[in-house]
Amino acid sequence: GAVVSQHPSWVICKSGTSVKIECRSLDFQATTMFWYRQFPKQSLMLMATSNEGSKATYEQGVEKDKFLINHASLTLSTLTVTSAHPEDSSFYICSAKWREYEQYFGPGTRLTVT
Amino acid sequence: GDSVTQMEGPVTLSEEAFLTINCTYTATGYPSLFWYVQYPGEGLQLLLKATKADDKGSNKGFEATYRKETTSFHLEKGSVQVSDSAVYFCALSGNGNKLVFGAGTILRVKS
Repeated sequence: GAVVSQHPSWVICKSGTSVKIECRSLDFQATTMFWYRQFPKQSLMLMATSNEGSKATYEQGVEKDKFLINHASLTLSTLTVTSAHPEDSSFYICSAKWREYEQYFGPGTRLTVT
Repeated sequence: GDSVTQMEGPVTLSEEAFLTINCTYTATGYPSLFWYVQYPGEGLQLLLKATKADDKGSNKGFEATYRKETTSFHLEKGSVQVSDSAVYFCALSGNGNKLVFGAGTILRVKS
């Protein structure tokens, strides 16, 4: 099946710094990718929809200036958490739309802000 | 808005037991329904899906039937294995292919 990778798999950063997370579709092209956030023992919450070559569409309540999304190519989307704070610590997951009704998910990135 | 409710876990079963994880949904229109599975340390994987009423999705011995009249999509397996231990997420997709997930149910299977 289709494979989606994320890098890094985990990252620790200091409060006030920025962190970039990459999401790559390895064996297919994805015009649409999605970014989710998962809190411990909770479900995934969609943060934004990333479309190649255009601006991302953010869900209500998600700060677009804090969570910068760039979908520069058909195989790469990036999420940058700017000026991170401890409350941004979470598990971030991306997915890539392969075809109608099907998304393939990355393994996730654990972000810890100290 | 759209939402998915699934039974709380963890669910603990012995090997070869019958599994049911309940899932109900609220949505406008006619969404597509999915079950995803997340094994420890891995990303979510699509387990099965159904795109219209009365469709049955099946995969790896798991089944779920899209019941429009009861707005449900319960996951079942006749005989679970230790390797089925994972977190199971029910989800729906309406317009735009956005997925709305349930809270997830942890399944633990003991040998």
